[in-house]
Amino acid sequence: DAGVIQSPRHEVTEMGQEVTLRCKPISGHNSLFWYRQTMMRGLELLIYFNNNVPIDDSGMPEDRFSAKMPNASFSTLKIQPSEPRDSAVYFCASSVYTGELFFGEGSRLTVL
Amino acid sequence: AQKITQTQPGMFVQEKEAVTLDCTYDTSDQSYGLFWYKQPSSGEMIFLIYQGSYDEQNATEGRYSLNFQKARKSANLVISASQLGDSAMYFCAMRERGGNKLTFGGGTRVLVKP
Repeated sequence: DAGVIQSPRHEVTEMGQEVTLRCKPISGHNSLFWYRQTMMRGLELLIYFNNNVPIDDSGMPEDRFSAKMPNASFSTLKIQPSEPRDSAVYFCASSVYTGELFFGEGSRLTVL
Repeated sequence: AQKITQTQPGMFVQEKEAVTLDCTYDTSDQSYGLFWYKQPSSGEMIFLIYQGSYDEQNATEGRYSLNFQKARKSANLVISASQLGDSAMYFCAMRERGGNKLTFGGGTRVLVKP
């Protein structure tokens, strides 16, 4: 069975550029999560969706970050404009409502 | 206040020995769930074990067991018969009532010595 699929796996960009991270959750899962992992702040929840509807976006750092889930099989996390402090590993995860989270392999973002 | 606290930033364990990773949590909910994840150096997050707040028995999954002490609000992970492949970061996480997001602790790095 395919797990959570994230792309790109690695992204290097320059400050000010737009970055789009993509996620395909596991089929049949109705919740999708975006987490960010850094050495300083650990694993932080940015936003999560239930049934494609954003439920909690309180972790989104600022207006430069936006996330969408246009359908049950696809989500994007966009950063515009990107800054060096956005450098991190971004994880997408999915679950059935009360189950454990299944994580993708992560997207490692470096903003120069 | 931290919801999930893992006080051990790192620890060594001898191969074949058991190791206990500490996790304490803070919640006022009566219904909640506790999770442990493993993150090897390759970076992926691997689910290990789950304990529900109403579960009377401590959860076990193979060599992993969860020492759940509800009154003390602790959910320590015990890894028995450590293997070299157990070297990784380990994260404790909690799901509270009314939502399905997980809040993670800061993690504990385990290094298994041959």
